[in-house]
Amino acid sequence: AQKITQTQPGMFVQEKEAVTLDCTYDTSDPSYGLFWYKQPSSGEMIFLIYQGSYDQQNATEGRYSLNFQKARKSANLVISASQLGDSAMYFCAMREALTSNTGKLIFGQGTTLQVKP
Amino acid sequence: NAGVTQTPKFQVLKTGQSMTLQCAQDMNHNSMYWYRQDPGMGLRLIYYSASEGTTDKGEVPNGYNVSRLNKREFSLRLESAAPSQTSVYFCASSPTGLNQPQHFGDGTRLSIL
Repeated sequence: AQKITQTQPGMFVQEKEAVTLDCTYDTSDPSYGLFWYKQPSSGEMIFLIYQGSYDQQNATEGRYSLNFQKARKSANLVISASQLGDSAMYFCAMREALTSNTGKLIFGQGTTLQVKP
Repeated sequence: NAGVTQTPKFQVLKTGQSMTLQCAQDMNHNSMYWYRQDPGMGLRLIYYSASEGTTDKGEVPNGYNVSRLNKREFSLRLESAAPSQTSVYFCASSPTGLNQPQHFGDGTRLSIL
């Protein structure tokens, strides 16, 4: 069963506007972590933001924030004030506590974001 | 700060040839991973090594072997390359901990003719 689902294969946003990238997950482990990565066209994987399942507040890192809705099992990435350099593929990933000693991440299929000038 | 270094960056092989992809990290991380990424898809785990001296299969291990040479180095070997193994290969490493992100190399673009 797919554990991480990103339902938006591609999205467009106007420069300077905010955009939300969706991520839903499935786990029976009460303790888990959620990660977002950015992959620009140059190919490298860049870590953006982390949210723990027991974190009381939504994570924020600069223009990135997580809209974490635990009951709905969703962890949507919000990018505020989009810039042309935000055009990239974005991946949501999850690590379950049961396997945290291995460090394994489960990745979603990704969402391609294009920022229009 | 080198981070995770993969070599080579590009390679073209003929079907049936063998090849080893090299990966080294200088962050003293316990765990290392090999992924493949096919066009329009996410990353799929091939093999991982939770600690020096251990290796385990991931989601798509068939056709690959790995060696955790020491804490720094984790290599991926294709014994008899097939066109279906044409892909971009990423090596990653991470320290132990639920909240620790994986750090990725720049990838190896491998084409098998």
